[in-house]
Amino acid sequence: KAGVTQTPRYLIKTRGQQVTLSCSPISGHRSVSWYQQTPGQGLQFLFEYFSETQRNKGNFPGRFSGRQFSNSRSEMNVSTLELGDSALYLCASSLSGRAWETQYFGPGTRLLVL
Amino acid sequence: AQTVTQSQPEMSVQEAETVTLSCTYDTSESDYYLFWYKQPPSRQMILVIRQEAYKQQNATENRFSVNFQKAAKSFSLKISDSQLGDAAMYFCAYRRGGFSGSARQLTFGSGTQLTVLP
Repeated sequence: KAGVTQTPRYLIKTRGQQVTLSCSPISGHRSVSWYQQTPGQGLQFLFEYFSETQRNKGNFPGRFSGRQFSNSRSEMNVSTLELGDSALYLCASSLSGRAWETQYFGPGTRLLVL
Repeated sequence: AQTVTQSQPEMSVQEAETVTLSCTYDTSESDYYLFWYKQPPSRQMILVIRQEAYKQQNATENRFSVNFQKAAKSFSLKISDSQLGDAAMYFCAYRRGGFSGSARQLTFGSGTQLTVLP
């Protein structure tokens, strides 16, 4: 079974631009979570989607948004980029998002904002 | 809010030796799950081991085992017979039980960078 894939792997943007990151979960997984990883703040939860519905959201400004499609693929969007948005964005999938399920992570998208 | 603390930013171990990474957490919940994830230089997070809070027996996966002390809210990871491939950043993570809200997210510690010396 193919693992979680994320595209693109690397991105360079400038302040004020917007960016869209994509995540394809493991086949059969319906829950997709997004995390931001930075040296200063560590790993922080962004949001989780299940069956095209956002089930939980972390403490991030409204510039961060996401969605999930009927095939469980998910995208996250960051508008009006700031320098502090430079980070590794990780996507994780699980069968249904239940607490005891293992979350499988993708390789991440590294975003650099100049 | 739940917090996860890893007090050892860096640790090193000689190849074939044993090392223990520490983790403490704070929660008022009785139903929760604890995880250790490994992040090698490739940045891909890999689950090492998990522990259900309701289980008294410590989890074991080959060379990896945990010491789960529920009353002390401590969850340490022991790596036996350390190998060069074990070198990575290790994250302790917590997840509340249930189906809604914060049960649907992992809360991570700040990580411990493990170096394995040949």
